[in-house]
Amino acid sequence: DIQMTQSPSSLSASVGDRVTITCRSSQSISRYLNWYQQTPGKAPELLIYGASTLQGGVPSRFSGTGSGTDFTLTINSLQPEDFATYYCQQSYSNPRTFGQGTKLEIK
Amino acid sequence: QVQLQQWGAGLLKPSETLSLTCAVYGGSFTGYYWNWIRQPPGKGLEWIGEINHTGNSNHNPSLKSRVTISVDTSKKQFSLNLSSVTAADTAVYYCARTKGTYSASGPNDYWGQGTLVTVSS
Repeated sequence: DIQMTQSPSSLSASVGDRVTITCRSSQSISRYLNWYQQTPGKAPELLIYGASTLQGGVPSRFSGTGSGTDFTLTINSLQPEDFATYYCQQSYSNPRTFGQGTKLEIK
Repeated sequence: QVQLQQWGAGLLKPSETLSLTCAVYGGSFTGYYWNWIRQPPGKGLEWIGEINHTGNSNHNPSLKSRVTISVDTSKKQFSLNLSSVTAADTAVYYCARTKGTYSASGPNDYWGQGTLVTVSS
């Protein structure tokens, strides 16, 4: 299985801040890297796929970069609704695997 | 607008079989892969498996042979059976679609509402 490691596990930030979350895979996954946002009690929502393509309806303050084994999710100008847990996922090979999550909290 | 609606028993005893069904509304069923993903309380996400409209399925080897995923294309539904459950199978179970027709490599773009399944004696 491909292991996905996110850092940090948790992060405190303020409204208006810029934050970056990192995801690393245990082997190359090309650009088959997806990012999800999950709020308590809800299903995850797709934010970015193919490492950098924004899903329809997702605000442009979200962006993703990377290829191979190292990827980042950046959120510019944090809004109150962005405080949630973020997961990366590789869809390069089965079994699909997720990072352990990064909880973004209000400072 | 695609919607996934899922249902199934929420409380099981150890050794019983978990059964969940997911129905797809508002979009095509053919050509997509359909997934089951679970999340233990307070923990991360685990992919269980997938199936397409022809019945071609794959599942996570970590669940060994306990998983069966089936499809009923006429009803636009797919189902999950997980046998011999234990407390470790307690989780919220989600159904989800893989984005992109005839592709098993896309992200999961539409999700069901989730079903909490608790295994307890």
